[in-house]
Amino acid sequence: AQSVTQPDIHITVSEGASLELRCNYSYGATPYLFWYVQSPGQGLQLLLKYFSGDTLVQGIKGFEAEFKRSQSSFNLRKPSVHWSDAAEYFCAVVGSGGGADGLTFGKGTHLIIQP
Amino acid sequence: DARVTQTPRHKVTEMGQEVTMRCQPILGHNTVFWYRQTMMQGLELLAYFRNRAPLDDSGMPKDRFSAEMPDATLATLKIQPSEPRDSAVYFCASGSGGGELFFGEGSRLTVL
Repeated sequence: AQSVTQPDIHITVSEGASLELRCNYSYGATPYLFWYVQSPGQGLQLLLKYFSGDTLVQGIKGFEAEFKRSQSSFNLRKPSVHWSDAAEYFCAVVGSGGGADGLTFGKGTHLIIQP
Repeated sequence: DARVTQTPRHKVTEMGQEVTMRCQPILGHNTVFWYRQTMMQGLELLAYFRNRAPLDDSGMPKDRFSAEMPDATLATLKIQPSEPRDSAVYFCASGSGGGELFFGEGSRLTVL
């Protein structure tokens, strides 16, 4: 069975500083990997996704993530955070069979931005 | 601007009452998913459909939850009878294969 671990429940970063959110997955074959963001009272919005090819993927709002098969990781990064980035971030995995089985989400990381 | 629409956005009800949540997926999407979000459990997959056929509802308590897609534009999640432990935010999401899902804004349910 597939699973996702986000080791950090909360992360606090100063505005303008760099950010890295960790994600480790468990899946027996080639996974499809995603990062979603959830603002308070809202649904989840896709930030970026990895299916194949270049292991460094670019997303919206200046985010990027790097797929490292050897470490079973898909960490999310941003060089300089803005106060508007404060939100809940979810890493998710699905089998590469086409997504018919639904995404499996991590527990999420709550990002706090300090002024 | 295509989006997933969920109703109601908020629902407060008493224990034992029936609750029905509705979802209009994005036109053309052939997969529909119901997730439940709580502080303790995070996001849990309850049920999903492909081309309106239920594929898996193993995440749902069968005795009280039911999910249907009467047509391609409507998915429903029903709880009967509701219990306080059902209090959560319920999300509907739709997709067209490949794994990417588009989420609605959720239905926040409070069962007293």
